[in-house]
Amino acid sequence: GQNIDQPTEMTATEGAIVQINCTYQTSGFNGLFWYQQHAGEAPTFLSYNVLDGLEEKGRFSSFLSRSKGYSYLLLKELQMKDSASYLCAVMDSNYQLIWGAGTKLIIKP
Amino acid sequence: NAGVTQTPKFRVLKTGQSMTLLCAQDMNHEYMYWYRQDPGMGLRLIHYSVGEGTTAKGEVPDGYNVSRLKKQNFLLGLESAAPSQTSVYFCASKERGEATDTQYFGPGTRLTVL
Repeated sequence: GQNIDQPTEMTATEGAIVQINCTYQTSGFNGLFWYQQHAGEAPTFLSYNVLDGLEEKGRFSSFLSRSKGYSYLLLKELQMKDSASYLCAVMDSNYQLIWGAGTKLIIKP
Repeated sequence: NAGVTQTPKFRVLKTGQSMTLLCAQDMNHEYMYWYRQDPGMGLRLIHYSVGEGTTAKGEVPDGYNVSRLKKQNFLLGLESAAPSQTSVYFCASKERGEATDTQYFGPGTRLTVL
């Protein structure tokens, strides 16, 4: 079966760095997406990885290892507005997104 | 551009009632999707469409029907609502079927079935 695993909840301090991990087992792989979802709102796109390595975009970076079925989202210089759920999703061989349950990130002052 | 909009934002139904959720996008996107989001679970695909006049089943299609009569609109119908359909429903669209195309989401419809 297809499976995306990510921690349910994480807590970090304002100004610090946090790494949110995602492991996956899917039928085929056409890329991995990270989305941010604030409570009560729609998911919004953060990053896309299809090749191994690190993609940096401002305070956010995303890493992919296809051989290990593993990705992480790295958030630097955390701000209170980063409190949200972070969703990992893999595009399978049918070009459909398989979603993880999301990681709720709590930022404390 | 309004992006992706959904109507209504909230709805309460009694078991057995029917309703239609409307999704509209003004980005001229070909692909449109209906998801449901439940606590502790990832987004699950209900139905999707790869173009005007086409629809296909997703992971959890039972109890739902869809129509895509116009490119900009994607309707999700519940013929006889059940408490198990209490959820938050998201519509999304993307330009084409390319892997790199980003899905853009609407604000969601919060549905409660009593």
